[in-house]
Amino acid sequence: DIQLTQSPSFLSASVGDRVTITCRASQGISSYLAWYQQSPGKAPKLLIYAASSLQSGVPSRFSGSVSGTEFTLTISTLQPEDFATYYCQVLNNYPLTFGGGTKVEIK
Amino acid sequence: QVQLQESGPGLVKPSQTLSLTCTVSSASISSGGHYWGWIRQHPGQGLEWIGYIYYSGSTHYNPSLKSRVTISVDTSKNQFSLKLTSVTAADTAVYYCARSPSYGLGSRSFDFWGQGTLVTVSS
Repeated sequence: DIQLTQSPSFLSASVGDRVTITCRASQGISSYLAWYQQSPGKAPKLLIYAASSLQSGVPSRFSGSVSGTEFTLTISTLQPEDFATYYCQVLNNYPLTFGGGTKVEIK
Repeated sequence: QVQLQESGPGLVKPSQTLSLTCTVSSASISSGGHYWGWIRQHPGQGLEWIGYIYYSGSTHYNPSLKSRVTISVDTSKNQFSLKLTSVTAADTAVYYCARSPSYGLGSRSFDFWGQGTLVTVSS
């Protein structure tokens, strides 16, 4: 199974900050990774697929990139509605696995 | 807008079978092009993929649950279902149903989700 390690697990930030979350895969998965946002009590929402493709309707302040086995989710200017937990997910290998999550909290 | 809605008992006794159904609206399971799956989330924890099914009946399961899981589809009702046998307290979780594209760059991501339903295993 491919393991996805997210860092940090918790992140405190302010509105307007630039935020970067990292997901490292235990082996090469090319660009086969997705990112989700989950607000408290809600279902996850797909933000990005194929490492850097923005899902329809997702604001352009969200972006994704990859370098080797390290994937990055960046929020360019943090908005109040962005305080949530973010998960990565592998797309090209069974079982489909998720990272442990990164909770973005208000500083 | 595709909508998914989970339904089923919120309380299941240990050793019994957990059964949930997902009803899909504004999309046809039988049209193909998507898998229809289940993901669960233990209280306060991360996400765990359970498995998914294609309209043809083809399935993929998480090996960690495969011996206890059956996912089935009823295209006439535009529904798919989850059965998890021999449940224990460790199966207490929020269960989500979700849609996954079967081809393209976003294949195997989950682009539409149900709201989730909490299933508690307790006597």
